[in-house]
Amino acid sequence: EVQLVQSGAEIKNPGESLTISCKSSGYSFTNYWIGWVRQMPGKGLEWMGIIYPGDSETRYSPSFRGQITISADKSISTSYLQWSSLKASDTAMYYCARRPKSSSNWALWGQGTLVTVSS
Amino acid sequence: QSALTQPASVSGSPGQSITISCTGTSSDVGGNKYVSWYQQHPGKAPKLIIYDVSSRPSGVSNRFSGSKSGNTASLTISGLQAEDEADYYCSSFSSSRTSIFGGGTKLTVL
Repeated sequence: EVQLVQSGAEIKNPGESLTISCKSSGYSFTNYWIGWVRQMPGKGLEWMGIIYPGDSETRYSPSFRGQITISADKSISTSYLQWSSLKASDTAMYYCARRPKSSSNWALWGQGTLVTVSS
Repeated sequence: QSALTQPASVSGSPGQSITISCTGTSSDVGGNKYVSWYQQHPGKAPKLIIYDVSSRPSGVSNRFSGSKSGNTASLTISGLQAEDEADYYCSSFSSSRTSIFGGGTKLTVL
């Protein structure tokens, strides 16, 4: 089955680091872009950045550049979203999604990972 | 880069048609064919309903259609049904080589 399965919900303190994951299965991981999307409570969707696991090309949306790190491990078909120092404003649902090259066909989505940052 | 502009809310009665607009600039919506639309029900992940301006993924009802003119893309839903009540988001590739979403539109089926 073609799917993206994200890691479970996290509760962290401000200042802590965090890595969440998005495991791909059922297709060739290196031939599709993986994107990460933030949705703050009660708010809209925001593209954070994308990665092409085939060559590790990574692009960050201007609002998130320098705030997060997106990576991928081809050996286990998994993409990661990482923070070095969380803030309360990072509290949100995070989704990963997949699209082929040269298309906006983001048809496959993960189930989402809820990150709560609170002291 | 700023979010694309969508109306905050639209409404329609069952059986009617509605159109949601998505306005950007020549650096995003007007400058490429990579415009997509998503439906999101409360507590659920977004669902792709239109990609590459007007293509429909398999399994998506043909009641959903997309178009673009200049810097504005549009999503039309015909034959409104109760289950269409949801939030709708447009997205476009931009000249910064990333993508941006619209602010979202809440569709109410009266």
